[in-house]
Amino acid sequence: QVHLQESGPGLVKPSETLSLICSVSGFSISSGYYWGWIRQPPGRALEWVGSMYHDGDAYYSPSLMSRVAMSADTSKNQVSLKLRSVTAADTAVYYCARGLVGGASDYWGQGILVSVSS
Amino acid sequence: EILLTQFPATLSMSPGERATLSCRASQSLSRSVAWYQQKPGQAPRLLIYGASTRATGVPARFSGSGSGTDFTLTITSLQSEDFAVYYCQSHSNRPPWTFGQGTRVDI
Repeated sequence: QVHLQESGPGLVKPSETLSLICSVSGFSISSGYYWGWIRQPPGRALEWVGSMYHDGDAYYSPSLMSRVAMSADTSKNQVSLKLRSVTAADTAVYYCARGLVGGASDYWGQGILVSVSS
Repeated sequence: EILLTQFPATLSMSPGERATLSCRASQSLSRSVAWYQQKPGQAPRLLIYGASTRATGVPARFSGSGSGTDFTLTITSLQSEDFAVYYCQSHSNRPPWTFGQGTRVDI
């Protein structure tokens, strides 16, 4: 069974960098599929942040492209997300997910709430 | 960037009724649309991809249709567990991908 688990700080100060890790079990991230991040501000809709293909190519939301970076550690079977220069607008639940067919994601982590506040 | 518009924003239904949710894209997506169900405090659940293919374990009362710019999710005979928020998403082979704003199905 594929399982994804997000981890990282729940509170980040404005202007600092948000760093999250998605730990995957039950499937090797280098074997296939996209591995992505989706966020959801409180009470609002889902927003695609970015995805990394199993070959290492990364793609980002045009609105976040200047601040976001993803990377993978295949030895640990983890995908990471870094979002620089955060503001209160980046406060959200951040989910990692596996893209079954392109961005159609069949396995999701439980999500982690990250608040941006001083 | 492709925009997805979902309507209505809220659908007030009764158990046993048929619900029809719509999603319109700002440009053609062929059949690359997925639908998700999300309940409070939970991660989204994939229901449909490729416009009409049900994901593993999804009941047959959920069906998707459409192509190009207009897509529909139909839930026949609503069950109590179906009252939730539903999102459509573009999922073509290459990003970027976008989500609609959601339709809430209320009792």
